[in-house]
Amino acid sequence: KQEVTQIPAALSVPEGENLVLNCSFTDSAIYNLQWFRQDPGKGLTSLLLIQSSQREQTSGRLNASLDKSSGRSTLYIAASQPGDSATYLCAVRPPGSQGNLIFGKGTKLSVKP
Amino acid sequence: NAGVTQTPKFRILKIGQSMTLQCTQDMNHNYMYWYRQDPGMGLKLIYYSVGAGITDKGEVPNGYNVSRSTTEDFPLRLELAAPSQTSVYFCASSYSSSGGAGDTQYFGPGTRLTVL
Repeated sequence: KQEVTQIPAALSVPEGENLVLNCSFTDSAIYNLQWFRQDPGKGLTSLLLIQSSQREQTSGRLNASLDKSSGRSTLYIAASQPGDSATYLCAVRPPGSQGNLIFGKGTKLSVKP
Repeated sequence: NAGVTQTPKFRILKIGQSMTLQCTQDMNHNYMYWYRQDPGMGLKLIYYSVGAGITDKGEVPNGYNVSRSTTEDFPLRLELAAPSQTSVYFCASSYSSSGGAGDTQYFGPGTRLTVL
């Protein structure tokens, strides 16, 4: 059974730091991996989707990498800002699914001014 | 585009009551999903639909029902509410399930449900 783990559960950094959020999954057979952002009391916002054939995706200050063989993905945030404070969720789409995602519990990021 | 909209935003139910959570998307997406999120936990899939008239169970379907009569709407029905159904419910949609960029899921703002 596919399981997704995100470590650490919470992270606090000063503004301006570059940081890395980690996501690991137990079954390397995935169709894609998605990173989401969730603000308190709000829904999820898609940040990046990495297809199984890709190694990384970039959007602005965000860069996500995927290493299927080791079951790992990282989300790199450059020059962090207080507005980046949120919970970041990683989710994988297993093969044979109809788009269903399996989520990790998230990393709660706090960027201090 | 409004994207994915959900109503109501909040609701308190008594044990044994029933209700329907509404979900509508205006992106002409074929794929729609219902998830629940319990405190400190990841989202778990309740039901999903690959198109009008087609629905299937996810990981935690017990106590819920869905229907998909149109492309736009995907309501979730709770019958005989129980305290274990206290959660935040999210509806999502995607254009495709091909594994590519069209798989990106778009989420509604959620419905916070409390069963007392």
